[in-house]
Amino acid sequence: QSVLTQPPSVSGTPGQTVTISCSGSYSNIGSGDLYWYRHLPGAAPQLLIYNNDQRPSGVPDRFSGSKSGTSGSLALSGLLSEDESDYFCAAWDGSLNALVFGGGTKLTVL
Amino acid sequence: QIQVVQSGPEMRKPGASVKVSCKTSGYRFTTSGITWVRRAPGKGLEWMGWVSTSSDMSNYAQKFRGRVTMTTDTPTSTAYMELRSLRSDDTAVYYCARNNYGSRLDYWGQGTLVTVSS
Repeated sequence: QSVLTQPPSVSGTPGQTVTISCSGSYSNIGSGDLYWYRHLPGAAPQLLIYNNDQRPSGVPDRFSGSKSGTSGSLALSGLLSEDESDYFCAAWDGSLNALVFGGGTKLTVL
Repeated sequence: QIQVVQSGPEMRKPGASVKVSCKTSGYRFTTSGITWVRRAPGKGLEWMGWVSTSSDMSNYAQKFRGRVTMTTDTPTSTAYMELRSLRSDDTAVYYCARNNYGSRLDYWGQGTLVTVSS
């Protein structure tokens, strides 16, 4: 059982916009920044969003993040087949004194 | 350019220990800590802990305290993660990442597969 809750899977067709949600509590998302990573097993994880809505250089602006209260979301617009991957949200939990991840969301491009 | 290169795959028997290395280059090693994360088959990303590269500080996940030690070697810009008393459910790919400001893990190693099997 992960501290942060994500849907196990989402899907979309090429060109569509999909959104992945991440729900937490006051001790994590509610009191700090939200991060998003994607990970394809066999490759290194990649930072997509930091500080709730900031994109590192090199991450396309098709990726956007938002946060409100104790939840947040990642939106991917103009879906591409190469976006198929596992997506994870993460936040620092002050009560656990640990970085916590969501359980992950598998994105399928139909 | 910044690079993070980890040591190769390891196979251990239950009860043994493993030490994974994480060599960085392309930036000043002591400016950012190193975080270790693992991903077991069929599971998600799991934070194991963080080690400072400029002090003796470290912070381990409760689950691994007493079994894990994270260290750094500044002259070689290398971080190490040792996990002891291995069990079969420690079979996973272990990743190190540069821990930039906050929880920003911006550069990752390629991963090290650790297989625990009798």
